[in-house]
Amino acid sequence: DTGVSQDPRHKITKRGQNVTFRCDPISEHNRLYWYRQTLGQGPEFLTYFQNEAQLEKSRLLSDRFSAERPKGSFSTLEIQRTEQGDSAMYLCASSPGTALEGANVLTFGAGSRLTVL
Amino acid sequence: AQSVTQPDIHITVSEGASLELRCNYSYGATPYLFWYVQSPGQGLQLLLKYFSGDTLVQGIKGFEAEFKRSQSSFNLRKPSVHWSDAAEYFCAVLSTDSWGKLQFGAGTQVVVTP
Repeated sequence: DTGVSQDPRHKITKRGQNVTFRCDPISEHNRLYWYRQTLGQGPEFLTYFQNEAQLEKSRLLSDRFSAERPKGSFSTLEIQRTEQGDSAMYLCASSPGTALEGANVLTFGAGSRLTVL
Repeated sequence: AQSVTQPDIHITVSEGASLELRCNYSYGATPYLFWYVQSPGQGLQLLLKYFSGDTLVQGIKGFEAEFKRSQSSFNLRKPSVHWSDAAEYFCAVLSTDSWGKLQFGAGTQVVVTP
């Protein structure tokens, strides 16, 4: 088990371009989460999946953001028409979805840092 | 409104000294409580959690935290810090009416001096 993997670790893009981040959760975890962290702040919840179903989305997830988890395994987070305000660390996490307590213990990946010029 | 407050943005502590990081929350019911640590350029690592039961919980790396319902607090402590404890520490809360939506405090940056 290699933990939660995120790719790429760093992305620099120009304003208006589209970017996509990938997250591979721990294999036996069926919940997957996306968070965003800006400098000097704690992570903010964006969305989460139970298997392939997207169960909750934050109002932070504007129309330019879309997340998918098509087969209930890896997930992608796409940002269209990036803006400078999208510059942040995008964190993915996963958790078991079975035992009640374990379901809420999140394991985080190292994050994907986005810089929009 | 539900909130998580870490009153100290930055703490400097000498190596070998004790450390206490404060966390207060505002929720209707007792939520699930967590402390995470983040080293520069890294993701978050879980230090400890509280769901129910004994209000003093032990975590990894010699950390412990105490849940005080009357004060809506979940403070993190370590008796003797090591230089490797320099990092940012986040308190997080999970409300039982919003599974999956972990709410984090703004974090406390810990600097360890020789």
